[in-house]
Amino acid sequence: AQTVTQSQPEMSVQEAETVTLSCTYDTSESDYYLFWYKQPPSRQMILVIRQEAYKQQNATENRFSVNFQKAAKSFSLKISDSQLGDAAMYFCAYRSASSNDYKLSFGAGTTVTVRA
Amino acid sequence: EAQVTQNPRYLITVTGKKLTVTCSQNMNHEYMSWYRQDPGLGLRQIYYSMNVEVTDKGDVPEGYKVSRKEKRNFPLILESPSPNQTSLYFCASSFEGFKGYTFGSGTRLTVV
Repeated sequence: AQTVTQSQPEMSVQEAETVTLSCTYDTSESDYYLFWYKQPPSRQMILVIRQEAYKQQNATENRFSVNFQKAAKSFSLKISDSQLGDAAMYFCAYRSASSNDYKLSFGAGTTVTVRA
Repeated sequence: EAQVTQNPRYLITVTGKKLTVTCSQNMNHEYMSWYRQDPGLGLRQIYYSMNVEVTDKGDVPEGYKVSRKEKRNFPLILESPSPNQTSLYFCASSFEGFKGYTFGSGTRLTVV
């Protein structure tokens, strides 16, 4: 089974500053997908960004970007120009590329607090 | 609007009283799944379904049942709830092209 580890239970960032959330995973597969989901207090799960393992280029979505290091099995999320609305719990997740397995394996989550 | 609809949003029940949490999606997705979220553990898969009449266990299936009689619906059934099933539950759906999930809004279940 794939294991996803988020080693930072909580992170705090000043508004307009940058914060980086770490995520490592354990897999023997070469083809897979990685995700970051945001869960605000409304508890809705919102997809922030997705990375396909076969792509070398790091994914970017507006102020959100990832640093994907396949050999190190690391997938960190950088939030630039942090806004109050970024305050949420962030989950890293892994999914095998196998068509028989749509399962997402999640990390324990990192709570991000944004200071005004 | 494309969405996954879960009901109820909150539920308090007593030990042993059967309950059903409903889940419906309007996107014609083949794949549906149930997860529970607990502090420090993230989300863990309970059951999933690859299509109508095809269901299988996830990582934490004990104490739960599911059915998939129609493509759009995937109810979660707790035949005899216990306090250790107090949790936040999410239904999600997907299809191969998306390679991610669309989540419902969650059901906060408390078993006393």
